[in-house]
Amino acid sequence: AQKVTQAQTEISVVEKEDVTLDCVYETRDTTYYLFWYKQPPSGELVFLIRRNSFDEQNEISGRYSWNFQKSTSSFNFTITASQVVDSAVYFCALSEARRRYSTLTFGKGTMLLVSP
Amino acid sequence: DAGVIQSPRHEVTEMGQEVTLRCKPISGHDYLFWYRQTMMRGLELLIYFNNNVPIDDSGMPEDRFSAKMPNASFSTLKIQPSEPRDSAVYFCASSQTSGGRETQYFGPGTRLLVL
Repeated sequence: AQKVTQAQTEISVVEKEDVTLDCVYETRDTTYYLFWYKQPPSGELVFLIRRNSFDEQNEISGRYSWNFQKSTSSFNFTITASQVVDSAVYFCALSEARRRYSTLTFGKGTMLLVSP
Repeated sequence: DAGVIQSPRHEVTEMGQEVTLRCKPISGHDYLFWYRQTMMRGLELLIYFNNNVPIDDSGMPEDRFSAKMPNASFSTLKIQPSEPRDSAVYFCASSQTSGGRETQYFGPGTRLLVL
């Protein structure tokens, strides 16, 4: 069975600090996909990134970066120079790709509070 | 391009009433998912469709819940009769394919309050 653990329930930082959100996953499949979603206070779920299990290259998009390490089954998300607008709940999710029908397993989410 | 559209955005009803939530997936997407989000249980997958056919409804909590997808551009989630414990945010999402390969895009959600 697949499982996603986001051990950090809530993180508080001051603007301009760097912050890393942890995500640890479990799966028996060798082919899988990992995702991050953002849920701002307005409530919608916004897709941020998708990575497949064969691509361990780190990815950077502006102030966002993701570190995927298969050896530790982790897919961590770092926000550099955080801003108040980054305040949101962030969800990590996993999907196994081998089966024809596969669904997303979400972590419980990490609430990030960025204060001015 | 329009994203996933859900209506209503907010719904307040009384216990025992029927509630119908609506979803229009992204054009060209052939998978549609219904989720429920609560503080206690987080995000739960209720049911999903492929080409308008329900594939897995094992997440539907009770017989009071039903979902349909009469065509590729419309789906409903119905609760009859509603109960206070059904209060939650209900999300609809769609993707081009499954097998986990494609990203699911979520609608804005319907915030349901059953009094």
